[in-house]
Amino acid sequence: EPEVTQTPSHQVTQMGQEVILRCVPISNHLYFYWYRQILGQKVEFLVSFYNNEISEKSEIFDDQFSVERPDGSNFTLKIRSTKLEDSAMYFCASRETGLLGYFGPGTRLTVT
Amino acid sequence: GQQVMQIPQYQHVQEGEDFTTYCNSSTTLSNIQWYKQRPGGHPVFLIQLVKSGEVKKQKRLTFQFGEAKKNSSLHITATQTTDVGTYFCAGGLINAGNNRKLIWGLGTSLAVNP
Repeated sequence: EPEVTQTPSHQVTQMGQEVILRCVPISNHLYFYWYRQILGQKVEFLVSFYNNEISEKSEIFDDQFSVERPDGSNFTLKIRSTKLEDSAMYFCASRETGLLGYFGPGTRLTVT
Repeated sequence: GQQVMQIPQYQHVQEGEDFTTYCNSSTTLSNIQWYKQRPGGHPVFLIQLVKSGEVKKQKRLTFQFGEAKKNSSLHITATQTTDVGTYFCAGGLINAGNNRKLIWGLGTSLAVNP
């Protein structure tokens, strides 16, 4: 069964550093998402991406965040200058045309 | 803003007891999805409901979508220890620009005592 993959599984970084989280969505999917989940809290929408551009973003997705699809397979989330409160699980998801999204296993980001 | 409220936040049951979690949206949804997240895992899709008043069953799990498409419930009959995890509802919205997104509830964490 096709699946969304994410790397790394765990990233530890110092406050102020830049991080790039990587995702490989399911190959024929067209819509891509990033969500985050602070430990013990709800899953929060960050951004959606379609046709090589951001289609929607939440209030959380400020100028520190950016997304890119550098080639035909990868979808990345960059955080330019990490803050302590960016520590969370970051989930990538993709979907074909319907509303059903497939989640990746997540990257645990720890900012120290 | 658009919100999906989910209750209860936590639930402890004895194995064999029933369990229900409820979702209420502040706005009419195009669909609702349910996910289960095991401790340390990622949300795994369970089901999607689209039609007003829809009821779907998966073995011991019964999912309902309200007539007004603003609320939903997940009911588990005779819980087992394998049911442990956090159950999230996510309401699907289609905005004026035909962009689709999911609004997530806080989740209900279910603990089952053997």
